[in-house]
Amino acid sequence: QKEVEQDPGPLSVPEGAIVSLNCTYSNSAFQYFMWYRQYSRKGPELLMYTYSSGNKEDGRFTAQVDKSSKYISLFIRDSQPSDSATYLCAMTSSTGNQFYFGTGTSLTVIP
Amino acid sequence: DAGITQSPRHKVTETGTPVTLRCHQTENHRYMYWYRQDPGHGLRLIHYSYGVKDTDKGEVSDGYSVSRSKTEDFLLTLESATSSQTSVYFCAISEGPYSPQYFGPGTRLLVL
Repeated sequence: QKEVEQDPGPLSVPEGAIVSLNCTYSNSAFQYFMWYRQYSRKGPELLMYTYSSGNKEDGRFTAQVDKSSKYISLFIRDSQPSDSATYLCAMTSSTGNQFYFGTGTSLTVIP
Repeated sequence: DAGITQSPRHKVTETGTPVTLRCHQTENHRYMYWYRQDPGHGLRLIHYSYGVKDTDKGEVSDGYSVSRSKTEDFLLTLESATSSQTSVYFCAISEGPYSPQYFGPGTRLLVL
């Protein structure tokens, strides 16, 4: 079983829609979580970094962590064509020596 | 953007030849990482460094070695390249083991 599971999509939404991207994980010790955006043929770009449970908001982006369900989400409000990219989640524990990455969800926002 | 550069950005080589990829940072971050990214596998850690001359293996370290003689540079070497090492290689940096990681632009390596 993979440490982190992420639906690869592809996900296609109209401009202005609310997008929900999700990852599930198996290790209950995970408590540091990251979301990245990766455009084609570019390096991953950090969007959100959260510790433990709860929500964190930054502009149109909201990261949510539900440790009881071992489930994290990234919400994108008022989605734009420029949001079209692959979104990666990553996570680790305080005793781990590496972050574990999901395989990414491909998102297309249609004008 | 974090000051991370990778060189070369593209490389084509033949099976059996040695290859060295370079990561250079200007952020003075203690931790540096090498990942490979392949379809269906996502980002997988090859090696990482937690200080000058301090390195450790990741989950896919076989066939790779690393060196870090200066804070700003982290080298990844494929001693004898194989076709299975065709991939996109990313370097990342962070201030600490649980801190956010910032990625470089990547190196596309093709082993024929």
